[in-house]
Amino acid sequence: DQQVKQNSPSLSVQEGRISILNCDYTNSMFDYFLWYKKYPAEGPTFLISISSIKDKNEDGRFTVFLNKSAKHLSLHIVPSQPGDSAVYFCAALQRAQKLVFGQGTRLTINP
Amino acid sequence: GAVVSQHPSRVICKSGTSVKIECRSLDFQATTMFWYRQFPKQSLMLMATSNEGSKATYEQGVEKDKFLINHASLTLSTLTVTSAHPEDSSFYICSASEGARSGGYTFGSGTRLTVV
Repeated sequence: DQQVKQNSPSLSVQEGRISILNCDYTNSMFDYFLWYKKYPAEGPTFLISISSIKDKNEDGRFTVFLNKSAKHLSLHIVPSQPGDSAVYFCAALQRAQKLVFGQGTRLTINP
Repeated sequence: GAVVSQHPSRVICKSGTSVKIECRSLDFQATTMFWYRQFPKQSLMLMATSNEGSKATYEQGVEKDKFLINHASLTLSTLTVTSAHPEDSSFYICSASEGARSGGYTFGSGTRLTVV
């Protein structure tokens, strides 16, 4: 039972353009969502998060949007840079308990 | 910021032997540590949650006798893969929590286990 889904396994974007990574969830009890970035053979690093009481959170080039009615969130990266190439995982929390991860999306930024 | 050290980063062992992976929180006390396993091109799957001084809570389908978890102190948790088989080959990652604070999960750098 995949409660957090990232349906796009990969995404390729031109440098300087906007990257949009999508994530859907099924559990309406999730109250906090996070995005992590992961390089091969390394642990995930935290990028940005959003509480379920908000619909947008912005931090520099990264913005996360939450649509609770659609149970959908997205991560926008603009402008995209070559160093952004990595696997991005969305994750969800329910009452600050264990993280539930999506399958990840491999983002490739082309020069 | 918070740092979690995971050791070793890479290990190759023979079938039937046991391997211990350490996870240390370097500059904070981790009340809870989590152990994940990642298969190629798949998500991070939570294996177990360990709280200092108590038994670990294992996720469904994870053999507790095979994956022994010890959280003896607030800064150290260990995962021991016992009687390893080739199918145990995977990338194992630990995470430490500073408490019930969203975003307060710090991950180790992971351990690539190869069982030959």
